[in-house]
Amino acid sequence: DAKTTQPTSMDCAEGRAANLPCNHSTISGNEYVYWYRQIHSQGPQYIIHGLKNNETNEMASLIITEDRKSSTLILPHATLRDTAVYYCIVRSYSGGYQKVTFGIGTKLQVIP
Amino acid sequence: DTGVSQNPRHKITKRGQNVTFRCDPISEHNRLYWYRQTLGQGPEFLTYFQNEAQLEKSRLLSDRFSAERPKGSFSTLEIQRTEQGDSAMYLCASSRPGTGWELFFGEGSRLTVL
Repeated sequence: DAKTTQPTSMDCAEGRAANLPCNHSTISGNEYVYWYRQIHSQGPQYIIHGLKNNETNEMASLIITEDRKSSTLILPHATLRDTAVYYCIVRSYSGGYQKVTFGIGTKLQVIP
Repeated sequence: DTGVSQNPRHKITKRGQNVTFRCDPISEHNRLYWYRQTLGQGPEFLTYFQNEAQLEKSRLLSDRFSAERPKGSFSTLEIQRTEQGDSAMYLCASSRPGTGWELFFGEGSRLTVL
């Protein structure tokens, strides 16, 4: 599975859009981009995933560049409850789990 | 949908003792995963079950660790002869067939080894 690179931390003003970048320059054609988040003292929560098309659900939007080497998770109107560590993970649909790592993620602080 | 349940939530034990954690997945989920998370790090994969079959084990899962899912429902993770390095949060997750890697996590069982 491809390795990802994320900023260690980011701040976002409450009510504004939070744009969380992720680089995955070694991604291969059958690998999906997954995003999870982990609020303090809770288990991770699935947010969204995509292969090459942009995706949107009730939580967020995922924008994947045309070359698929990077992506951005967008929280359109960040609230204080969105303060969490956000993990970008790349894995193949049929791949094994041993190489899947959550990494350190991006700590997003939403500021009032 | 009652969510993934893990017990106990906190466990403090002395080095050398055995501990067991239990995970009850969401009822229709046939896939179950165990992860370990240490402070400041993301979760690390330990093992994966599809129904009662343990299909993958990480090299992190030493011979002191054993996981079971005897009837394809709940799962247990046992750590024998605990060491201080075993102190971590142990997370369980489950997923439905056909949903790729959309995991539902429990709140974890925190282990402290003194």
